[in-house]
Amino acid sequence: GAVVSQHPSWVICKSGTSVKIECRSLDFQATTMFWYRQFPKQSLMLMATSNEGSKATYEQGVEKDKFLINHASLTLSTLTVTSAHPEDSSFYICSARVGRQFNQPQHFGDGTRLSIL
Amino acid sequence: GDSVTQMEGPVTLSEEAFLTINCTYTATGYPSLFWYVQYPGEGLQLLLKATKADDKGSNKGFEATYRKETTSFHLEKGSVQVSDSAVYFCALSDRGDSSYKLIFGSGTRLLVRP
Repeated sequence: GAVVSQHPSWVICKSGTSVKIECRSLDFQATTMFWYRQFPKQSLMLMATSNEGSKATYEQGVEKDKFLINHASLTLSTLTVTSAHPEDSSFYICSARVGRQFNQPQHFGDGTRLSIL
Repeated sequence: GDSVTQMEGPVTLSEEAFLTINCTYTATGYPSLFWYVQYPGEGLQLLLKATKADDKGSNKGFEATYRKETTSFHLEKGSVQVSDSAVYFCALSDRGDSSYKLIFGSGTRLLVRP
């Protein structure tokens, strides 16, 4: 149980285009999802916390107009990288938590590798 | 603020060797502690967790004990396999933070040689 699906797994696109990444909880409802960015051989950097039915909470230094997050249902959150540029190339990972308790683990998608040419 | 410190990698071991990856934490509240594993090109998988002092989490031969007195959560395995080669992340979630977000360590890369 507690499967999180992320799509696409790999995307290559031209500079200036927008890219949407989907994160779905397949067998549970997730009121809260998280979006991370990971640089090669580094730890995960939390970008934002996505709450169903409300605005996302962005971490300091993350441009909310650049990284648009929508959490329209209890099983789907999307991250849109707008007007992407080469410096946005990275590995993006989402996660979802089962339930509302702090001691519940987050379950992660397999990540999306974004390459901007 | 809360933080997690892991030992620097990479850790290189021969198959069947004993593994320890050190993890210590600082937290203002009473955190839950987790170990996650990341295989190349993939997301993170929950390996084990412990939610209170003296709890021992275990899975797939790995185990870690929540030590409040030393603020540690070291990961151990008695006999590693080549398939255990991956990056291991220690993390905490603190009830004092209403978002209950995870605070990660820097990760420790494990390489197991045949």
